[in-house]
Amino acid sequence: DGGITQSPKYLFRKEGQNVTLSCEQNLNHDAMYWYRQDPGQGLRLIYYSQIVNDFQKGDIAEGYSVSREKKESFPLTVTSAQKNPTAFYLCASSIRGGYYEQYFGPGTRLTVT
Amino acid sequence: DQQVKQNSPSLSVQEGRISILNCDYTNSMFDYFLWYKKYPAEGPTFLISISSIKDKNEDGRFTVFLNKSAKHLSLHIVPSQPGDSAVYFCAASQTSGSRLTFGEGTQLTVNP
Repeated sequence: DGGITQSPKYLFRKEGQNVTLSCEQNLNHDAMYWYRQDPGQGLRLIYYSQIVNDFQKGDIAEGYSVSREKKESFPLTVTSAQKNPTAFYLCASSIRGGYYEQYFGPGTRLTVT
Repeated sequence: DQQVKQNSPSLSVQEGRISILNCDYTNSMFDYFLWYKKYPAEGPTFLISISSIKDKNEDGRFTVFLNKSAKHLSLHIVPSQPGDSAVYFCAASQTSGSRLTFGEGTQLTVNP
């Protein structure tokens, strides 16, 4: 059945290391998104992509990078330049960009020590 | 610049009573609004939406009201059930835009 998968569920890294979070969807959606959730804060948009081979910065893109080489996949790399990388990361997709309902994956909890 | 604000971090209600979650926005270009529900360690799931051409949308126990002049929307849950205990996010968008903007969320606790 269709959905969004994020792996792994929990990820631990040492400070100074880059880490890549996986996001795959089989919903045939054009648009994909990465959000970060911190305690007491909403969902803050990191990057989004409305079509393959194109993506835009969201509100908190510094220290992150993405690629969109395939429609189904939108990996997020948390670089060592990200000052506070420990957070819950959520990937989402929608049929198209904009106001369309977004479907979310289960999230990845990243802990950097 | 927080364009979508949920000023109540938490709300506690008794089972069977009404839950009212509020959301304010500042961007007058927003014309489409959505509510999402999120359990701990899971991704949010879509609940209900409303276009700015309407002032009310209803789906079962959930009703969203939109007051465009006040730039305010609310989600009513009647009757509230313990399984409704979750964080509720409101989100806003322009139909001509490319993204959603989320509020900070409200933790709803429904007590048996």
